[in-house]
Amino acid sequence: AQSVTQPDIHITVSEGASLELRCNYSYGATPYLFWYVQSPGQGLQLLLKYFSGDTLVQGIKGFEAEFKRSQSSFNLRKPSVHWSDAAEYFCAVGATTDSWGKLQFGAGTQVVVTP
Amino acid sequence: KAGVTQTPRYLIKTRGQQVTLSCSPISGHRSVSWYQQTPGQGLQFLFEYFSETQRNKGNFPGRFSGRQFSNSRSEMNVSTLELGDSALYLCASSYGQSGNTIYFGEGSWLTVV
Repeated sequence: AQSVTQPDIHITVSEGASLELRCNYSYGATPYLFWYVQSPGQGLQLLLKYFSGDTLVQGIKGFEAEFKRSQSSFNLRKPSVHWSDAAEYFCAVGATTDSWGKLQFGAGTQVVVTP
Repeated sequence: KAGVTQTPRYLIKTRGQQVTLSCSPISGHRSVSWYQQTPGQGLQFLFEYFSETQRNKGNFPGRFSGRQFSNSRSEMNVSTLELGDSALYLCASSYGQSGNTIYFGEGSWLTVV
């Protein structure tokens, strides 16, 4: 069965510092991987996705993620964090077409940005 | 292009009542999925509809049901509400094939009192 682990429940980072959020997945085949962000009281906004090809993917808001098959990881990074990046971040894995709408989410990582 | 639209955004219901939530997917999308989000359980998959047929179902009791109409709009219903049903209910849509981007709505906040 597929699963997604986000080891860090909570991360505090200073504005302007770099940010890395970890995501590990368990999936039998080549996974389809997503990162979503959720601001308080809002829905999920897609930051980026990895389906195949280049293992370093660029997303919106200056985020990027690197797929490492050998480590079963898909970590999210941002070189310089802005106060508006404070939110909860979710990693998710998608399955095959018959189960495409059934995403498996990690527990999320809450990011706090300090001045 | 309009995004995924969910109505109502906020509602308060009494235990034992039922509730219906609506989701209008992005134009052209045939897959609609529903998720429940709570602080304790996180994001949990409820069910997915594709071309008016339920394609997948999560591990929720039968009180949770859904349907999809010919225009791809979807509704989910929760009967005999319990306090534990208080949650943010999120709808997501896509074209429904592997590799299609999945977009989420803003959610419907349900409070059961």
